[in-house]
Amino acid sequence: QSVLTQPPSASGTPGQRVTISCSGSSSNFVGSFVYWYQQFPGTAPKLLIYRNDQRPSGVPDRFSGSKSGTSASLAISGLRSEDEADYYCATWDDSLSGQGVFGGGTKLTVL
Amino acid sequence: QVTLRESGPALVKPTQTLTLTCTFSGFSLSSSGMCVSWIRQPPGKALEWLALIDWDDDKYYNTSLKTRLTISKDTSKNQVVLTLTNMDPVDTATYYCARMQRYGDYINPPDYWGQGTLVTVSS
Repeated sequence: QSVLTQPPSASGTPGQRVTISCSGSSSNFVGSFVYWYQQFPGTAPKLLIYRNDQRPSGVPDRFSGSKSGTSASLAISGLRSEDEADYYCATWDDSLSGQGVFGGGTKLTVL
Repeated sequence: QVTLRESGPALVKPTQTLTLTCTFSGFSLSSSGMCVSWIRQPPGKALEWLALIDWDDDKYYNTSLKTRLTISKDTSKNQVVLTLTNMDPVDTATYYCARMQRYGDYINPPDYWGQGTLVTVSS
């Protein structure tokens, strides 16, 4: 069971806006940044959002991130068929001795 | 340009020890704030963070696997090595190494990943 909670699936039709949530706790969200990754089958995760809401160069502005308290969200607007992938959130958990934590992943289907 | 590449055996037997090497370029693990982590992903399942080593040789481990994991670095070779003892079929996964960075009190999740290496545990 993952430390961060994501819905296992999400879906939308082309052009729609979809949001994926990620919830944690005070030990892993307060003070830490949330990152989001996109992963296609058989490939390594790709950084999509860093420091809660920043996009690396090359990531379309259709992708946006936000964080509030112990929750974070990834929003994808103008949904496209090529956005169909798995999405993961991640952060650093300060509890105990400190460790990285990931969400359980959300499979996005473009209908 | 930051790159990371994992290497190691594709197949290990139960009870054996897995040794994986991450060879990286484009940054130095002797630079303040730099870290390298190992992360794994069983087939069809979620990502699981395993271990991290930082520029100051501080080490962090997944609390659930801590007794079986060891991470080390060879700064001169730009390599990080992970060992996982007493391998079991449930450890079958793609193992990734990734760069992470510390800013102040916090360590940020990975910004660069290797392509991953699939390790199968079977007799």
